[in-house]
Amino acid sequence: AQSVTQLGSHVSVSEGALVLLRCNYSSSVPPYLFWYVQYPNQGLQLLLKYTSAATLVKGINGFEAEFKKSETSFHLTKPSAHMSDAAEYFCAVTYGNKLVFGAGTILRVKS
Amino acid sequence: GAGVSQTPSNKVTEKGKYVELRCDPISGHTALYWYRQSLGQGPEFLIYFQGTGAADDSGLPNDRFFAVRPEGSVSTLKIQRTERGDSAVYLCASSGGTGSSYEQYFGPGTRLTVT
Repeated sequence: AQSVTQLGSHVSVSEGALVLLRCNYSSSVPPYLFWYVQYPNQGLQLLLKYTSAATLVKGINGFEAEFKKSETSFHLTKPSAHMSDAAEYFCAVTYGNKLVFGAGTILRVKS
Repeated sequence: GAGVSQTPSNKVTEKGKYVELRCDPISGHTALYWYRQSLGQGPEFLIYFQGTGAADDSGLPNDRFFAVRPEGSVSTLKIQRTERGDSAVYLCASSGGTGSSYEQYFGPGTRLTVT
C-alpha cells in the first residue's frame, strides 16, 4: 500500500530564507504525487503535482518540487520565504482513485 | 466558477445524535470524495463516488457512517449514533476525471464536534 512520510511536523524559517519541506513516499506502482497547502480554516489548495512528465515540477506561489525515484522523495522548495507562506503543507500520493496524505508540516515564517 | 461547497461549516452535536453533512461539488465533476481530518493529522480517505454509485467505501470506519449521491451531484455524509471520536473536519473533494493524475478540488470542510 502507498504511504507518505513528512519529516518535521513544524518548520521555521526567516523571511527571505530557503524553504525545504521533506516528503518521502512508498508506492508499489509508479506514483502520482501532490503537494497541497492549507491555510487556517480553509480547504486544501493544490500547489503542484507530479504525473510522470518532468521530474522538476513548478507550482504556484514560487514553489517547486523534484521527484527523485532513487530516493523515493518529493521534497518541496521555495528559494525565498514570504510571510504569506505560513500555512500547513501536505504531501500526498495516489492509491487507486484516492489520495493518501502525510501528517502535514506547519511552516512558520519569522520576520 | 464556483468551487466545492460544504454545509454546515460547523456542527456541534451531542453524543448519540444523528448528523448529516452536505457537499456540493464543482458542476460537471463526476468523481466525489469524502475525507476526514483529525487534529494534527492529514486527511484520511472515507469514500469515493463515480456518478451515483459508491465505487470505493473502504475508508468508512464502521457501519455508523454512510454516504449517498442520489443524482450524481450533491452528496450527503450521514453519521448515526455519533461518538466523541467522530469529532474532526470532514472534507469533500471533486474531480473532473477518474484517473489518478486528475486533481482533486477540496471544499472548506465541515468541523464536527461531538460533545
